[in-house]
Parts: sequence; structure tokens; C-alpha cells
Amino acid sequence: GENVEQHPSTLSVQEGDSAVIKCTYSDSASNYFPWYKQELGKGPQLIIDIRSNVGEKKDQRIAVTLNKTAKHFSLHITETQPEDSAVYFCAASLGETSGSRLTFGEGTQLTVNP
Amino acid sequence: DSGVTQTPKHLITATGQRVTLRCSPRSGDLSVYWYQQSLDQGLQFLIHYYNGEERAKGNILERFSAQQFPDLHSELNLSSLELGDSALYFCASSVAGRADTQYFGPGTRLTVL
Repeated sequence: GENVEQHPSTLSVQEGDSAVIKCTYSDSASNYFPWYKQELGKGPQLIIDIRSNVGEKKDQRIAVTLNKTAKHFSLHITETQPEDSAVYFCAASLGETSGSRLTFGEGTQLTVNP
Repeated sequence: DSGVTQTPKHLITATGQRVTLRCSPRSGDLSVYWYQQSLDQGLQFLIHYYNGEERAKGNILERFSAQQFPDLHSELNLSSLELGDSALYFCASSVAGRADTQYFGPGTRLTVL
């Protein structure tokens, strides 16, 4: 089955700096790659996603890039703010062939210091 | 707020007992997914239902079962509970036509003593 690895496991940045989280996946047939933000005591919140026919997607301070050849994708957060502090998860999906299940990375604890 | 609701928020029970977790998907969503989040296993897919029918199973234990009702809400039943079943259980639902775009509920925290 699909396997997703995520790095780093913890990331500490100063307010205003950029943060980058990287993920690799094992199955080249994966075609959907969402990112989730999870705050303490809450469920994962979808923040951005990308499909395999697109190389990059932006939404305000957040961007995701996908390199299908290398089987990796990354989350970029610019101008970080203290409220960006949370655990971020990447995931991959093989689509309908796998029942649309999401396979998650291990998570990255992002801390933005004021 | 994702629009997915889960009850109860917290559940404390003893080993050997049985519990039922409930999930209501977003209005219009036909798919419901269940995931387990534990410290050692991370977020793991359990099962997917679409419009009342089981679509896919992950590493779901035989002691666990689920169903989706005609009104599209879903229940996850956990029986013969063990200490290791203590975890957060999340339900997600997906946009009709975009099955893998999933929105998560707030979760149920299960503690087995």
C-alpha cells in the first residue's frame, strides 16, 4: 500500500519567517495530496490540496508544490504568524481504486515564536 | 467548523465494554470515512461508506464495525475494548463527486481504563 513520510517532525520559526514541510510518497499512482492543520483538541482542518495534474497551487500565504517524478510534495507557509502554530499533516490518495482513503504522514509540529 | 458533527466528544469506559460513536456528515455529502488517531500509529484509515454501502476497509480490527444509515449518518461500533483502543476517532465526509476531498469532524476521544 501507499506510504507517506513527512519531515521535519518539529519546526520552530520566528514570526514573519517562512516554513517548509516536505513529504514523500511511495505509490506513483497517487493522484491527490491534501494538507491538514490540526490544533490542540480539534479535528484536522483541510488547508490546501493539489492534484497530480498540477505542479503548484497557492492560497494567500500558503502554497503547495508537487514533483511527480521524485514523488514528493511540499507545503510552504510565508510570513508566518503565531496562529499558524499547530500540527500539520500531509496525505496522499490513490483515488477511487483505494476507496479514496487518505494515507497520512506522521505530522510536523510547527511553532511560530512571536 | 467543517459541518461534520460527532458525538460524544469524550467517552470513558472499561476494558471489555462496547461503545458506539456517531457521525453526521456535511449536508449533501454521501461518503463517510472513519480514522483512528493514536500517539504511536498516527492517523490511520479504518473504513469508508458511500450512500449506505461499504466501499473500502483499512486496518480495522474485527472487534470494530461500522454502518451508514439511510439518513447518511454513520456509527462506529467498538467492542471487547482493550487499553490499546484508547485514541481519537475521527469521522470525515467528502464532497459529492470529489471523493477524496475530505472534511473532518471534531473527533471522539475514547479512553479505555
